[in-house]
Amino acid sequence: QITLKESGPTLVKHTQTLTLTCSFSAFSLYTSGEAVGWIRQPPGKALEWLGLIYWNDEKRYSPSLKNRLTITRDTSKNEVVLTMTNMDPVDTATYYCAHSRPRYHDFDFWGQGTLVTVSS
Amino acid sequence: QSVLTQTPSVSGAPGQRVTISCTGSSSNIGAGYDVHWYQHLPGTAPKLLIYGNNNRPSGVPDRFSGSKSGTSASLAITGLQAEDEADYYCQSYDNSLSGSVVFGGGTKLTV
Repeated sequence: QITLKESGPTLVKHTQTLTLTCSFSAFSLYTSGEAVGWIRQPPGKALEWLGLIYWNDEKRYSPSLKNRLTITRDTSKNEVVLTMTNMDPVDTATYYCAHSRPRYHDFDFWGQGTLVTVSS
Repeated sequence: QSVLTQTPSVSGAPGQRVTISCTGSSSNIGAGYDVHWYQHLPGTAPKLLIYGNNNRPSGVPDRFSGSKSGTSASLAITGLQAEDEADYYCQSYDNSLSGSVVFGGGTKLTV
């Protein structure tokens, strides 16, 4: 059974950089056909896709956030790291990582999510 | 504003059937990309309910079904149960702006 879990700070200050780690098991991001995505949900609002990293290290980012986002994978661990620069209070949200199947572009397994609050 | 448009809320009595719609455009649903549906209960992770327009992952009851036509898709829930009260999101892929995943704005189902 695939599992994912997000970790990182719960509180960041305005203009700081957010770094979140997604630790996963039961699949390898070096296996063809695998991908990990990041999605967030501000309080009371809809899900918003942030980005994807594929097994071949290709990355895709939300057009509206691509200048602030970087997604990387740790070559020695089953981890994916999301970095978001210049945080603003509007970035306060629950951040999820999820396993994606590029064949479908869906997200079949999700982490529990982590709430990140940005203080002004 | 979401790329995929969903009705903000729907309601139904226990045992009834409801449908939730998702409207896109020629660069996403209309371009032939699959539509997926998620059920999201407060405080929990979203759950994949329907993938590839009309496929149910293992463990999802057959009360849930999906369909797609043209630039729109629908999620149908029959035999409504109290536990179905949740937010439902559609999701697809969009080939504009270098390609990206897109979500609907969500529909709150009240039972």
